[in-house]
Order: sequence, then C-alpha cells, then structure tokens
Amino acid sequence: EAGVAQSPRYKIIEKRQSVAFWCNPISGHATLYWYQQILGQGPKLLIQFQNNGVVDDSQLPKDRFSAERLKGVDSTLKIQPAKLEDSAVYLCASSLSTGNEQYFGPGTRLTVT
Amino acid sequence: QKEVEQDPGPLSVPEGAIVSLNCTYSNSAFQYFMWYRQYSRKGPELLMYTYSSGNKEDGRFTAQVDKSSKYISLFIRDSQPSDSATYLCAMNPSGYSTLTFGKGTMLLVSP
Repeated sequence: EAGVAQSPRYKIIEKRQSVAFWCNPISGHATLYWYQQILGQGPKLLIQFQNNGVVDDSQLPKDRFSAERLKGVDSTLKIQPAKLEDSAVYLCASSLSTGNEQYFGPGTRLTVT
Repeated sequence: QKEVEQDPGPLSVPEGAIVSLNCTYSNSAFQYFMWYRQYSRKGPELLMYTYSSGNKEDGRFTAQVDKSSKYISLFIRDSQPSDSATYLCAMNPSGYSTLTFGKGTMLLVSP
C-alpha cells in the first residue's frame, strides 16, 4: 500500500513570496489533515478535511493560508505572503475516516528567508 | 500550563537498556492516547494507541496510562540503535476530535 505522498520535500523562499504544497493521501482515505511542525515542537493541526469538506480550520491563519481538497482526493496548502515565522515542516496525514489512526507523509520543509 | 508536557531530552541510553518515556497532561477530558515515532526528516509513525487507563503491550513496546495522575508512559525493552528517534505523545477527548501533541522526546540508543 502506497503511503501519503507530499511534494516538494524542501522549499526555500523569501518573505512575502507565495508557496504551495501538494499532498496525495492513501487511496480510500476520506479524511485529510495538514499540520505545521516547528522545530522542537509537536505537530499543530492547521486544517482537516472530510472528503472535500472542511471539518476544522480553527487554527489556520486564514489571512495568509489557504487549502483546498478538490474531488476529495489530493490537497494543496498555500501560503501567501509568507512570513519568517512560517519556517517549519508541513505534514500531511490521512485516515480512513475521522479517527485516530492517522498516517503521515514525509513532510515539506519550508525555509523563509 | 501547557495541555501536554513532554521532556524534550535528549535521552541517551546504551543498547539493551529499558527506556521510559513520559507525558503529563492537564485536560481531564482526554480519553485516547497515542505514541508516535518520528525519525529525522520523516513524518510521525503511529506506534501505540490506547483508550482510557491501563496497559497495552506490542512486542518490545508497552504503553501505560494513569488517568488519575494524568500521566502516560511508553516503555521500550531491549532498546536498539534503530529506536533512536523522537517520540511524540498525542491525545484527544474522543476519536473524532483534534489531536494535541507533546513536543517530543529525542531518544539516542548507542551501540
């Protein structure tokens, strides 16, 4: 079974630029999560989708972050404009349904200079 | 006080040692408790999942929950160099709510 795929793996941008991350969940997984993991911290949920609907985006900084999950499969997370404090690893995870067995992708390491 | 507290380490042990990793929490509503292992530059991998109080064993790993003390533990027996990673605890009040993660404890097992 293929795992959660994410791209790119690494990205370096300057502040005020925009960036987009892509996630392909495990086939058949209805729930998709985007987390932000700052160095030395645990992952923090940014947004959760159930199929293509948003379940929880309470911690998403909506003035600069946006996410979509078209057709209930792949998802993209965008940051525009980026700030220095957005430097982090962005993790995508998926689960069969809203539950606890979440499977994580390798993450995208973002550096904002 | 943070909802979930976890000593960041690093915790250094020799190969074959018994390792004890711990988290404390403040929210008495937490019912589901998980341990994830995260290798450097990789995503977290679910190791153990327990509900409410008690013990759960899986091979060399044992997860323990003491809800009265708001304290959870992960024990690793016969530790191996391949166990060197960051261990994250996570928990939530129900199976349908957001996970709250600890900061993670870095474990180093030397040959």
